[in-house]
Amino acid sequence: DVKVTQSSRYLVKRTGEKVFLECVQDMDHENMFWYRQDPGLGLRLIYFSYDVKMKEKGDIPEGYSVSREKKERFSLILESASTNQTSMYLCASRRDRVANYGYTFGSGTRLTVV
Amino acid sequence: AQTVTQSQPEMSVQEAETVTLSCTYDTSESNYYLFWYKQPPSRQMILVIRQEAYKQQNATENRFSVNFQKAAKSFSLKISDSQLGDTAMYFCAFMPTGANSKLTFGKGITLSVRP
Repeated sequence: DVKVTQSSRYLVKRTGEKVFLECVQDMDHENMFWYRQDPGLGLRLIYFSYDVKMKEKGDIPEGYSVSREKKERFSLILESASTNQTSMYLCASRRDRVANYGYTFGSGTRLTVV
Repeated sequence: AQTVTQSQPEMSVQEAETVTLSCTYDTSESNYYLFWYKQPPSRQMILVIRQEAYKQQNATENRFSVNFQKAAKSFSLKISDSQLGDTAMYFCAFMPTGANSKLTFGKGITLSVRP
């Protein structure tokens, strides 16, 4: 089975800190995604990447950036954390651009910004 | 742009009974995929069932089946013989076919199975 691992299950950070959320997949998947999950809003796409060093904005990219230096790792960066970025963050991967089998998800990182 | 609507925020069902979760979507695409994902308290999103829009036959996976009505843009999930382990959030999702497609999710529904 494909495994998508998010390095932290819970994080507490201070306002203004630079925050890194890490995601690693172990099956050579080309596509990786970062979603944010909030009650009553479902999952919203922040950024995605089709391949190494490639990235594209999703629906809510403001306040975030990403890095994909290696195929297996996709990092979400909060340049200056704010309290409205308190949320659950989900990473996902997919085999290739046209694999319509849905995604494999990590277990999520619950981030609290105080 | 696609939208996915799950209008019921919560539902409850007695163990061993059947429950149906509703989902509608809006798209101008002619070919696409629809999904139901389950998110239990462990937070791990699990794919429950997948439907290809060009297939008229409704998908089934053991106790889970869908009622796909393409003209009505409706995609409901039926869970038969509900079990306590079915307690979770359920998300309906849409993805067009083709390169670089992405999943669009509904807001989710919290299902509680009562013993």
